Amino acid sequence: GAGVSQSPSNKVTEKGKDVELRCDPISGHTALYWYRQSLGQGLEFLIYFQGNSAPDKSGLPSDRFSAERTGGSVSTLTIQRTQQEDSAVYLCASSPYSLASGETQYFGPGTRLLVL
Amino acid sequence: GIQVEQSPPDLILQEGANSTLRCNFSDSVNNLQWFHQNPWGQLINLFYIPSGTKQNGRLSATTVATERYSLLYISSSQTTDSGVYFCAVDPGTYKYIFGTGTRLKVLA
Repeated sequence: GAGVSQSPSNKVTEKGKDVELRCDPISGHTALYWYRQSLGQGLEFLIYFQGNSAPDKSGLPSDRFSAERTGGSVSTLTIQRTQQEDSAVYLCASSPYSLASGETQYFGPGTRLLVL
Repeated sequence: GIQVEQSPPDLILQEGANSTLRCNFSDSVNNLQWFHQNPWGQLINLFYIPSGTKQNGRLSATTVATERYSLLYISSSQTTDSGVYFCAVDPGTYKYIFGTGTRLKVLA
């Protein structure tokens, strides 16, 4: 079956513009995760969705970041007024049930964002 | 907040060698996972292991929750094992805290 897909695969934007990143999880997966990986750096957890709800949004780096999930499926991560420090690879993953159940997460290929 | 430390930061092995990667965490956790990121950036979830021992082929992991550490064992390493290994813990706050990773290079 289809895996996790993300779009766009690459995005170059100018400082101050808004960007929207999309994640299509594996069909039927209830849990969805967003991560960020800056160039040559480690992984940073951003937000977790259980269905359409995010129990804790404190992992988002600033109030310029927002995320939503609709219909228990597609999720969008929006960055407003982008800054150069937002340049990174944004990764999405999904799993069948929940974060707490510790099941395998399946990762998408990521969106490479470059803010000039 | 909880601190997650991994060691060693870098490791070079000859193909066929065994290795042990360590993850220390500073507080109790609800769960712990190990991930592998290959040199092309693809991430794979290796183990969910809040306690005890699990094995999957040449890889195995052990977490001693009372002593706040986890170990990832790689036996008979292959070049395809190269990449970065991350551990991540869930302290029960609906988020994962990642370690800084161990970068492994396996030489043919």
